[in-house]
Amino acid sequence: SAVISQKPSRDICQRGTSLTIQCQVDSQVTMMFWYRQQPGQSLTLIATANQGSEATYESGFVIDKFPISRPNLTFSTLTVSNMSPEDSSIYLCSAQGQGVYGYTFGSGTRLTVV
Amino acid sequence: LAKTTQPISMDSYEGQEVNITCSHNNIATNDYITWYQQFPSQGPRFIIQGYKTKVTNEVASLFIPADRKSSTLSLPRVSLSDTAVYYCLVGDPSGSARQLTFGSGTQLTVLP
Repeated sequence: SAVISQKPSRDICQRGTSLTIQCQVDSQVTMMFWYRQQPGQSLTLIATANQGSEATYESGFVIDKFPISRPNLTFSTLTVSNMSPEDSSIYLCSAQGQGVYGYTFGSGTRLTVV
Repeated sequence: LAKTTQPISMDSYEGQEVNITCSHNNIATNDYITWYQQFPSQGPRFIIQGYKTKVTNEVASLFIPADRKSSTLSLPRVSLSDTAVYYCLVGDPSGSARQLTFGSGTQLTVLP
């Protein structure tokens, strides 16, 4: 299965600033996804990162707040814009390859907004 | 989307077999059942996936009855390192991620 490198692993940011999280996959994958996980909670899908087109966002998430890039089949970025303390969370990227054997996840980015 | 229901938490002792059951009454014909494991400060890790009957790999077994309305993840002889959150997901893995929705998961705590 694909191996995902995600960085930064953690960051502490000032409110009002933006942070870009990078996700690199070691092989070409058809679909990449971004999730958010609040401390002690389950994962919530933010958006599907589509190669060559705009990301598809889930209800409650908008492009202006979480712009996503997918320039090729191995790389994606998620930006958390104009951050507030409510954005403090773990952000994870995930990739789906071929076949039915599930998704691979990065180790996550722990974001704290102060 | 097929909703899943799992116990919030379970405790076990080292060396015991642990069975975690997941209910998914509205599972669709094309849906697979997939289990993930998540340790603190890590992303979820794929454990096992099945469609019907029984699937076994080096880590776990997955039992699925004929009606597919539930499934049971079986972890043989657990150790302290198996302490983690286990998620049951139901969906079509060849489709989009929105069809794979994470439920609340089961916090398994293995005691010495």
